[in-house]
Amino acid sequence: KAGVTQTPRYLIKTRGQQVTLSCSPISGHRSVSWYQQTPGQGLQFLFEYFSETQRNKGNFPGRFSGRQFSNSRSEMNVSTLELGDSALYLCASSPNPGQENEKLFFGSGTQLSVL
Amino acid sequence: KQEVTQIPAALSVPEGENLVLNCSFTDSAIYNLQWFRQDPGKGLTSLLLIQSSQREQTSGRLNASLDKSSGRSTLYIAASQPGDSATYLCAVKMNRDDKIIFGKGTRLHILP
Repeated sequence: KAGVTQTPRYLIKTRGQQVTLSCSPISGHRSVSWYQQTPGQGLQFLFEYFSETQRNKGNFPGRFSGRQFSNSRSEMNVSTLELGDSALYLCASSPNPGQENEKLFFGSGTQLSVL
Repeated sequence: KQEVTQIPAALSVPEGENLVLNCSFTDSAIYNLQWFRQDPGKGLTSLLLIQSSQREQTSGRLNASLDKSSGRSTLYIAASQPGDSATYLCAVKMNRDDKIIFGKGTRLHILP
């Protein structure tokens, strides 16, 4: 079974641009969640989608948005990029969201650099 | 507001030693707690998950314990190997519909 796939692996953008990141979950997993990882703040939850509906949202500005398609693939979008958006963006999929024994399976991430 | 703390931020240990990584959390009413491993520039791999009613979980050389009343969890690694070098993160969830909250991790280096 293929793991969680994130594309692209690396991305360089300039301030003010927008970016779209993609995540394909493990086959059969209907939940996808997104995280931002920076050296200063660590790993922070962005949002979670289940069956095309946003199930939970972290404390990020509205410039950060996401969506999930009927095949469970997910995209996140960041508009009007700022230097502070430079980070490793990770997505994870889960076969049993909300269960007490829920396990998360992470992709390798997209490293975004904003210049 | 739940806060998850991992001390120390970095640790170097000679190969073969047993070691303990610590995780503390401020609100003891957790739903579950997970330990993850992250290699440089990579995603996270789930190591052990402890449900709220459980006290510990074991997988190979790894053992994780949970003491909700004191707000602490430990990850015990037996007979450490250079391949164990990585960042170890703990994360808690407060209820089934809540977001997961991560500690900032302990960067472990096993000296050959």
